Amino acid sequence: RKEVEQDPGPFNVPEGATVAFNCTYSNSASQSFFWYRQDCRKEPKLLMSVYSSGNEDGRFTAQLNRASQYISLLIRDSKLSDSATYLCAVNDAGGFKTIFGAGTRLFVKA
Amino acid sequence: GAVVSQHPSRVICKSGTSVKIECRSLDFQATTMFWYRQFPKQSLMLMATSNEGSKATYEQGVEKDKFLINHASLTLSTLTVTSAHPEDSSFYICSARVRATEAFFGQGTRLTVV
Repeated sequence: RKEVEQDPGPFNVPEGATVAFNCTYSNSASQSFFWYRQDCRKEPKLLMSVYSSGNEDGRFTAQLNRASQYISLLIRDSKLSDSATYLCAVNDAGGFKTIFGAGTRLFVKA
Repeated sequence: GAVVSQHPSRVICKSGTSVKIECRSLDFQATTMFWYRQFPKQSLMLMATSNEGSKATYEQGVEKDKFLINHASLTLSTLTVTSAHPEDSSFYICSARVRATEAFFGQGTRLTVV
């Protein structure tokens, strides 16, 4: 089993739609969780950290469910510019390394 | 966010030669730097983790004699691909972080071995 798993998609949604991504992790002792965005042929950029209480940044909401070992990202009112690959990332129990999921591709169409 | 600079952004080299890639944290001291490789349409694969002043920890299946990592200071790590072959052609990305916080990425290096 992979340490961090994501549905690869792609998700094809119209502008204005709400879309949700999930990501599961295998190590229950993992400490920190993040969502990154990666555009084609570019490096990943941090989108947001994920906190136990859940957090929101504009149209983006991230949640953590430790009991079920998954994190989620909700994007409301999708824009064309949201089209990208979304990667979840998990710092391992000792905080020594960051493991990434394979990414979920999102295409927002007009 | 913090700035991580990676150089060069693109390199083409002949088979059998070595290529060095630099990763610098410009406005913070990185306790840990990571090196990843990404093939087209595939996920980031962690190659190794390096801490300043100590030997890098390589992931299973990554040849440490082929991918030499040096982390001489808190702001600089280098990856040298030795005796490069066409199958080493890939997108190499470094990231840096302070303790167990989020990681910030360099711009990546697109290596083509001909």
